[in-house]
Amino acid sequence: NAGVTQTPKFRVLKTGQSMTLLCAQDMNHEYMYWYRQDPGMGLRLIHYSVGEGTTAKGEVPDGYNVSRLKKQNFLLGLESAAPSQTSVYFCASTATSSYNEQFFGPGTRLTVL
Amino acid sequence: ILNVEQSPQSLHVQEGDSTNFTCSFPSSNFYALHWYRWETAKSPEALFVMTLNGDEKKKGRISATLNTKEGYSYLYIKGSQPEDSATYLCAPVSGANNLFFGTGTRLTVIP
Repeated sequence: NAGVTQTPKFRVLKTGQSMTLLCAQDMNHEYMYWYRQDPGMGLRLIHYSVGEGTTAKGEVPDGYNVSRLKKQNFLLGLESAAPSQTSVYFCASTATSSYNEQFFGPGTRLTVL
Repeated sequence: ILNVEQSPQSLHVQEGDSTNFTCSFPSSNFYALHWYRWETAKSPEALFVMTLNGDEKKKGRISATLNTKEGYSYLYIKGSQPEDSATYLCAPVSGANNLFFGTGTRLTVIP
């Protein structure tokens, strides 16, 4: 099993460009999450999904959109990238609820110039 | 949003020393607490999920305790080894069923 994978690993964008980050998991997990990691701050939740076809906002959702068309995939979109979105993005999944451990992907390092 | 504090922010210990660090969180409306270990250039990996007051969990030389009434959890490492060097994150579960991560304690074990 690959676990949780993220594509791409690195990306550099110019301000105003758009992109989509892909997260895939092969553990048949219901819940999936997108976090961002910035220096001096804990992992902050951007959006999450509790099942196929459902999404919800987390702590810092502005400037991002998500979709969960298939159970195994969770996409994070940046409509118009800003330098403030320079960060490392982590995807995670868990079986059924926040009482279960989360499994994290390897991260995507995004730089917005 | 939950106010989560971890202390110390960082510490250095000699190989073989035992150490512990603290996670403080709001004691009201407690649901669960997660501990994760995060090695440099890797992804966070779960250590424990704790739910009951007085809970104690152990994995090898690492153990954790939970006090939900006063809002804290301790993580202990016995006989630290260089491979224990990592950032240790705690994350209480909010009412919205999401995790709020602390900024972590960065542990460096000196051989």
